[in-house]
Amino acid sequence: TQLLEQSPQFLSIQEGENLTVYCNSSSVFSSLQWYRQEPGEGPVLLVTVVTGGEVKKLKRLTFQFGDARKDSSLHITAAQTGDTGLYLCAGENNAGNMLTFGGGTRLMVKP
Amino acid sequence: ETGVTQTPRHLVMGMTNKKSLKCEQHLGHNAMYWYKQSAKKPLELMFVYSLEERVENNSVPSRFSPECPNSSHLFLHLHTLQPEDSALYLCASSQDPRATASDTQYFGPGTRLTVL
Repeated sequence: TQLLEQSPQFLSIQEGENLTVYCNSSSVFSSLQWYRQEPGEGPVLLVTVVTGGEVKKLKRLTFQFGDARKDSSLHITAAQTGDTGLYLCAGENNAGNMLTFGGGTRLMVKP
Repeated sequence: ETGVTQTPRHLVMGMTNKKSLKCEQHLGHNAMYWYKQSAKKPLELMFVYSLEERVENNSVPSRFSPECPNSSHLFLHLHTLQPEDSALYLCASSQDPRATASDTQYFGPGTRLTVL
């Protein structure tokens, strides 16, 4: 069974601070996806990383895929209240589009 | 309507009730999925349908019964559920799960189910 561990589980910060969320596994994934989920809504895809060592930027968000394709990180610079939500990582295995989700990081950005 | 829609958004049922959750996708996708999201566990894949054929069933109890009459509609029939089945049930769709490249899944807003 492939497992993805996300840390931290909860994070409460002030607006303007930086933060990093981690997603770790002992398994190799063909790709890794990051989602954000807001209350009352389903997860929305932010980014997919495919190549080991890949770095992708989405405005103030920076996503990195580990060299061995077993782990990933999400870094947010100068967090805003609109970044509040549940961040989920999901690994895709080589057998097809079956996603294994991490437990999520619940982020609260206070004004 | 656009994207993936789910009805009802909230459902309260007793353990002896029979109810159904409905999902509809307006994206022209070929695959649809049911996930369970509970407070203390990661999002769990329950069922996958590709071109109306079930391709994945992750050891889900028989009290959950999926139905996919066409590529745009997916149902989850519920019967004699337990209180621990209370969760957010999410539907998703994607273009083609057999694609070699990563295939993006689009999620609906979910049905919040409470079993009394």
